[in-house]
Amino acid sequence: EAGVAQSPRYKIIEKRQSVAFWCNPISGHATLYWYQQILGQGPKLLIQFQNNGVVDDSQLPKDRFSAERLKGVDSTLKIQPAKLEDSAVYLCASSLQGLQETQYFGPGTRLLVL
Amino acid sequence: GNSVTQMEGPVTLSEEAFLTINCTYTATGYPSLFWYVQYPGEGLQLLLKATKADDKGSNKGFEATYRKETTSFHLEKGSVQVSDSAVYFCALSSITGNQFYFGTGTSLTVIP
Repeated sequence: EAGVAQSPRYKIIEKRQSVAFWCNPISGHATLYWYQQILGQGPKLLIQFQNNGVVDDSQLPKDRFSAERLKGVDSTLKIQPAKLEDSAVYLCASSLQGLQETQYFGPGTRLLVL
Repeated sequence: GNSVTQMEGPVTLSEEAFLTINCTYTATGYPSLFWYVQYPGEGLQLLLKATKADDKGSNKGFEATYRKETTSFHLEKGSVQVSDSAVYFCALSSITGNQFYFGTGTSLTVIP
């Protein structure tokens, strides 16, 4: 079974530029998550999708971050404009149904904002 | 609010030593509790979980018991191996099922 795929693996941008990350979850997984992991901290859940609807986005800084999951399969997370403090690893995860179940994580995208 | 506090690292142990990584939580109601592990060069993966008080999760020789009275979920292993070297994260899922909280992670290095 293929795992969660993410791209790109690394990205370097200057502040005020925009960037987008892509995630393809495990086939058949209804729930998809985006996390932000700042160096030295645990992952922070930004947004949770159930199929193509948003379950919770209370931790997503909506003035600059946006995410979508069209057709209920893959998803993109965008930052526009980026700030220095957005430097982090962005993790995508998926599960069959909801947070009570095992989440399967992708390798992450490491973002550096200069 | 909900939060997870885990023991700071890094932790260095000799092979076959006993491991405890402490984890305590603050939550409304009775959340589900998890330990995730990240091996070098790999993504996060579930190690074990417990969904109600007094449940014991176990996997790969690791165990953790959901203690409601002490709001704890400490991770233990009787005899660690070099291959257990990794970063371990304690986590909880809110009872509403809409939020997930990770601790800061504890780095473990096991030396031969």
